[in-house]
Amino acid sequence: NAGVMQNPRHLVRRRGQEARLRCSPMKGHSHVYWYRQLPEEGLKFMVYLQKENIIDESGMPKERFSAEFPKEGPSILRIQQVVRGDSAAYFCASSPDRAYGYTFGSGTRLTVV
Amino acid sequence: AQTVTQSQPEMSVQEAETVTLSCTYDTSESDYYLFWYKQPPSRQMILVIRQEAYKQQNATENRFSVNFQKAAKSFSLKISDSQLGDAAMYFCAYRSGLTQGAQKLVFGQGTRLTINP
Repeated sequence: NAGVMQNPRHLVRRRGQEARLRCSPMKGHSHVYWYRQLPEEGLKFMVYLQKENIIDESGMPKERFSAEFPKEGPSILRIQQVVRGDSAAYFCASSPDRAYGYTFGSGTRLTVV
Repeated sequence: AQTVTQSQPEMSVQEAETVTLSCTYDTSESDYYLFWYKQPPSRQMILVIRQEAYKQQNATENRFSVNFQKAAKSFSLKISDSQLGDAAMYFCAYRSGLTQGAQKLVFGQGTRLTINP
């Protein structure tokens, strides 16, 4: 059973471009969470999704950021018109239900140049 | 809102010795979960140990154990017989136990642990 798969592992974007980060949860997991880690800091919650639904997006910036978890396919975190301050590691985690513990992916490191 | 504080940015310990990492948290809830995660240079977040707030017994996982003081809102991690592979960033995290509450984890700032051979 493969773990949580995130790709790409590294992503470089120029200012103003779009970044798309993908997360495939573990098999049987229908709950997905996205976190952002700035250098030398802990992870900060961004959004919690179930299939086709956003459950909690209280940590998402109001502009340029969006997330989806379609019925088929991976969860996508999209950042439009990236700025240097978006440079960070973005982690995805999944769980089989609300009460269970998370499994984290290895993260995507986004660098905006 | 809940907060998690790790007051030790860096710690070091001699190989084979014991080290304790500190964590305090603030919450008004009575039902919650606490976690310690390890993040080695590979960046992978690895769950080390988990504690349910309703359990009085401290969790243990092999060389890792916690000292959970609910009244003091303290949750320290003890690593016994430290090994070189224990070198990593360690994060303390909180999650609400409310069934209707947010499922997000609230993380501390982390403690960088160095193991000296």
